[in-house]
Amino acid sequence: KNQVEQSPQSLIILEGKNCTLQCNYTVSPFSNLRWYKQDTGRGPVSLTIMTFSENTKSNGRYTATLDADTKQSSLHITASQLSDSASYICVVPFSGYALNFGKGTSLLVTP
Amino acid sequence: GAGVSQSPSNKVTEKGKDVELRCDPISGHTALYWYRQSLGQGLEFLIYFQGNSAPDKSGLPSDRFSAERTGGSVSTLTIQRTQQEDSAVYLCASRRNRESSTDTQYFGPGTRLTVL
Repeated sequence: KNQVEQSPQSLIILEGKNCTLQCNYTVSPFSNLRWYKQDTGRGPVSLTIMTFSENTKSNGRYTATLDADTKQSSLHITASQLSDSASYICVVPFSGYALNFGKGTSLLVTP
Repeated sequence: GAGVSQSPSNKVTEKGKDVELRCDPISGHTALYWYRQSLGQGLEFLIYFQGNSAPDKSGLPSDRFSAERTGGSVSTLTIQRTQQEDSAVYLCASRRNRESSTDTQYFGPGTRLTVL
């Protein structure tokens, strides 16, 4: 069964601290993995797309890693800011067009 | 702006009424998707359009749900005889190239549907 599982479900951190979000998937065959950020009341916005051959990809303070052998990905946020408060969604395609969405990790950054 | 737009942003309706949700994709994007996001749940795929045709309607939860796309652009999602369990945020996304598995889907802001 194609699944995407994320952890933790929610996370609260202090401004300026780092955090890491996890994503495990069982989707096969695997082509790529995406991380989206969804602010409250808005649609998801793509942060990064990682293909099979990529282990690490950075986008500003966001760094995603991928281990295709263990089928795990992580999203590391450095020096968190209040604007990082959002839901972070891991997405893995399971066909040419369809996407499998995780339930997301809700991150709250507090002053 | 040139992003995906959806209307209305909020819709409150009474149980049993029909509703129509609209999506304007990014100009030139051939692929269009509808998703549903219930509180505390992940995004649920509803339907996919390539141009005006819908090769995959497998996600539509019941025959009360239908969608169409005209002119390869605007799409409408219609829910007939709405039920309280239809309450959710309905998100539309578009993508430029169906064939590229790494092409990004761009999401609209969603329509929040509340069925009383």
